[in-house]
Amino acid sequence: DAKTTQPNSMESNEEEPVHLPCNHSTISGTDYIHWYRQLPSQGPEYVIHGLTSNVNNRMASLAIAEDRKSSTLILHRATLRDAAVYYCILRNPFQGGSEKLVFGKGTKLTVNP
Amino acid sequence: DGGITQSPKYLFRKEGQNVTLSCEQNLNHDAMYWYRQDPGQGLRLIYYSQIVNDFQKGDIAEGYSVSREKKESFPLTVTSAQKNPTAFYLCASSIQYEKLFFGSGTQLSVL
Repeated sequence: DAKTTQPNSMESNEEEPVHLPCNHSTISGTDYIHWYRQLPSQGPEYVIHGLTSNVNNRMASLAIAEDRKSSTLILHRATLRDAAVYYCILRNPFQGGSEKLVFGKGTKLTVNP
Repeated sequence: DGGITQSPKYLFRKEGQNVTLSCEQNLNHDAMYWYRQDPGQGLRLIYYSQIVNDFQKGDIAEGYSVSREKKESFPLTVTSAQKNPTAFYLCASSIQYEKLFFGSGTQLSVL
């Protein structure tokens, strides 16, 4: 399975943008980049996913490097409710076994008031 | 509202006892999953099922069992063979290869 590397923790101030990095140097051409986040004592929730082009939704933006070896989840204005663990995951729908997502330790984001 | 319901929220197990965690979904999803999360760690896959009456072992299936008799339900039994069962258990469902929807989890502790 292609792996991802994320910083263990990051800190931000409320109402400032947050850029959460993810490295995936062994990504294959058909691996999709998925992001989930987990608030304390809750199950993870889907944030966004993409393949090659940058993606935007109501929660966040996903910027994907041209060589696809890294990506960045962007929260445009952090709020206290964005404090969570953020997971970057690769998923290849054309590969056997990809029905199971592999969650690493993720990045714990702290948002300061 | 559609979603995934896990119960109970908290569960205590005595030594040598089997306990069953419930997971029900009304999203009409074919695939369902069980994950285990230890404090400060990521999620590890226990079992998953892509269709009724079929399931596969994940990375840490030893000491656990599942059944998938109905599309809506995927109960997990933590058997007495699981020597370190204390953890946060998460159930999820999805349309195949689409995003996962998670329940709110069950915290299992040993008395």
